[in-house]
Amino acid sequence: AQSVTQLDSQVPVFEEAPVELRCNYSSSVSVYLFWYVQYPNQGLQLLLKYLSGSTLVKGINGFEAEFNKSQTSFHLRKPSVHISDTAEYFCAVSTGGFKTIFGAGTRLFVKA
Amino acid sequence: GAGVSQTPSNKVTEKGKYVELRCDPISGHTALYWYRQSLGQGPEFLIYFQGTGAADDSGLPNDRFFAVRPEGSVSTLKIQRTERGDSAVYLCASSSDPGTEAFFGQGTRLTVV
Repeated sequence: AQSVTQLDSQVPVFEEAPVELRCNYSSSVSVYLFWYVQYPNQGLQLLLKYLSGSTLVKGINGFEAEFNKSQTSFHLRKPSVHISDTAEYFCAVSTGGFKTIFGAGTRLFVKA
Repeated sequence: GAGVSQTPSNKVTEKGKYVELRCDPISGHTALYWYRQSLGQGPEFLIYFQGTGAADDSGLPNDRFFAVRPEGSVSTLKIQRTERGDSAVYLCASSSDPGTEAFFGQGTRLTVV
């Protein structure tokens, strides 16, 4: 069965600093990987996805993630964060079927 | 519509009552998902529809929960004999290609008192 572990429940960071949100997954088969963002009082929005091909995936708002098959990781990074990036971030995995499993989320808090 | 629409946005009900939550997916999306999100948790899979049929309902917690999608578009999640533990945000999502990008609605916040 698939599972997703987000290693940090909360990440505080100063504005313009770099950030990495960590995600590890387990699956016995090939996976699709996703990062979703949930801004306060808003619905989930896709940031980026890895389906196949290049392991470095670029998404919206300057975020990127790297798929590392040997380490079963899909960490999310941004070189310089803004106050507006404050939100909950969810890593998710699908085996290309239909059930997408979500991690518990990481709350990114950007401080001025 | 332009996005996934869920109604109502908020629902308060008394313990033991029956509730229905509605999801209107993006037009043309054949895959539809229901998730439940409790405070401080990630979305928890409930059920997936491909067209009119429930392809996977393994996430439904018990037989008080049921969902339908009779015409392959709008879906209704039905909860009988609600319990306080059912309080959560119920999310609906749809996609054109199962297992790839899912588009989420704003959710229905259900509070059982």
